[in-house]
Amino acid sequence: DIVMTQSPDSLAVSLGERATINCKSSQSVLFSPNNKNYVAWYQQKSGQPPKLLIYWASTRESGVPDRFSGSGSGTEFTLTISSLQPEDVAVYYCQQFYGPPVTFGGGTKVEIK
Amino acid sequence: QLQLQESGPGLVKPSETLSLTCTLSGGSITSGRYYWGWIRQPPGRGLEWIGSPHNTGGTYYNSSLKSRITMSVDTAKNQFSLQLTSVTAADTAVYYCVRHFLDFDYPRYVDCWGQGTLVTVSS
Repeated sequence: DIVMTQSPDSLAVSLGERATINCKSSQSVLFSPNNKNYVAWYQQKSGQPPKLLIYWASTRESGVPDRFSGSGSGTEFTLTISSLQPEDVAVYYCQQFYGPPVTFGGGTKVEIK
Repeated sequence: QLQLQESGPGLVKPSETLSLTCTLSGGSITSGRYYWGWIRQPPGRGLEWIGSPHNTGGTYYNSSLKSRITMSVDTAKNQFSLQLTSVTAADTAVYYCVRHFLDFDYPRYVDCWGQGTLVTVSS
C-alpha cells in the first residue's frame, strides 16, 4: 500500500498569514496515461465529516475559496492556505487515490496563533 | 444535491457483526460514474478506507479487513451496505458512507460524505 506522510502534525498561524502543509507519498502517484497526480486534500472541522478541497493535486473543488491551493508532483505535495481565516481552523488530510487501496495521511491540525 | 445517510446500531458486542446501511437521496445509486464506499475514523484518529462497492462493477476491499467484510448494493432501495464480522474494540469508530469519483474503473477521490455514525464495540 502507498503510505502518505504528512508534516507537520500541527501548526499555529496568525490570521491573514500563510499556512503550508506537506505530504509525501511512498511511491509516485503520477499516472502516466493522463499525466495527472492522484492526490486529494480534505478539510475536517470538529464534529463534521471531511470536505473535499483539492483533487488531481491542484484542482480546486467547486465552492472552495481560492486562498486554498495545491501543488506538487510525483511524491511530494503541498496544500497552501494563503491567508488564514478563522473558519480554516480544522484538521487537513491528504489522500492518494492511485490505488486502491486509497490511503490517507495522518492529518495536520491547523490553529490560530 | 446528493445526500448520504448512514443507519445502523450504535453499539455492537465483541465478536458480533456490525451492520450499516447507507441511503442515498437526491441521486441514483445506479449512476455508473461513481463508486460507493465506506471509510472509518476511530475517535481522535485518522481516516481508514474500508472498501468500495459498485452497482455493476467490481468491489474493492481494504486487504487488512477483507476477510471480515461483506458489501452490497441494493438498487431497488437506492442503498448500499456494510457488514463487518467478528468485531473487537479496535473497530470502534465513526463510519462514513461516501461517494468516490470513478476513474479507469477504480474508486478515486471522495466528493460526497455522509454525516457519519459512531459505532462502539463493547459488551
